[in-house]
Amino acid sequence: DTEVTQTPKHLVMGMTNKKSLKCEQHMGHRAMYWYKQKAKKPPELMFVYSYEKLSINESVPSRFSPECPNSSLLNLHLHALQPEDSALYLCASSQGQGKAYEQYFGPGTRLTVT
Amino acid sequence: AQKVTQAQTEISVVEKEDVTLDCVYETRDTTYYLFWYKQPPSGELVFLIRRNSFDEQNEISGRYSWNFQKSTSSFNFTITASQVVDSAVYFCALSEAYTGNQFYFGTGTSLTVIP
Repeated sequence: DTEVTQTPKHLVMGMTNKKSLKCEQHMGHRAMYWYKQKAKKPPELMFVYSYEKLSINESVPSRFSPECPNSSLLNLHLHALQPEDSALYLCASSQGQGKAYEQYFGPGTRLTVT
Repeated sequence: AQKVTQAQTEISVVEKEDVTLDCVYETRDTTYYLFWYKQPPSGELVFLIRRNSFDEQNEISGRYSWNFQKSTSSFNFTITASQVVDSAVYFCALSEAYTGNQFYFGTGTSLTVIP
């Protein structure tokens, strides 16, 4: 089973709201990722967790706050977002953080900030 | 500098035609990995293949085949007898064993298969 699930599928939020995106995998993978993808662009890496510890933060603004409660779950907490943060947010996981490993992606959350 | 170049932004083919998606990469690492992903309109990136830099064997999986040529730094993807369900954006990606953080994605090629 190579499934990564994400909730919600769609989210509309105002600039003063606080919301969270959730990601779950049950493949026993030890690395999990958050990506942001704008229309007609490739995914951009935001964060990497390896063995439940944040290992990479690609200079993401503090209004995005990741959390990894356990090896199967990954959250992205959103607060005071800007309209330009509207995008598809993709979660992925891989067997390890090593670059040889393919990443498996979830279906994404389409976020609209109004 | 762009590490992965997908020069074809959009391609349209008629169903049952063969189509090749080009991918050219740039790296100084001797050990690296190349990937292809498919992103249908639903949004999920679907993993298709991983190739190691030390394995230049071409691969075939059903209607899909991949041609890896280190001499030209290319990792091209061919779909034989295309079908409407092949319509998607296809991304080529590179990861380097010793440098960089994770994947370098190309800009993607949008394939439309016309029935």
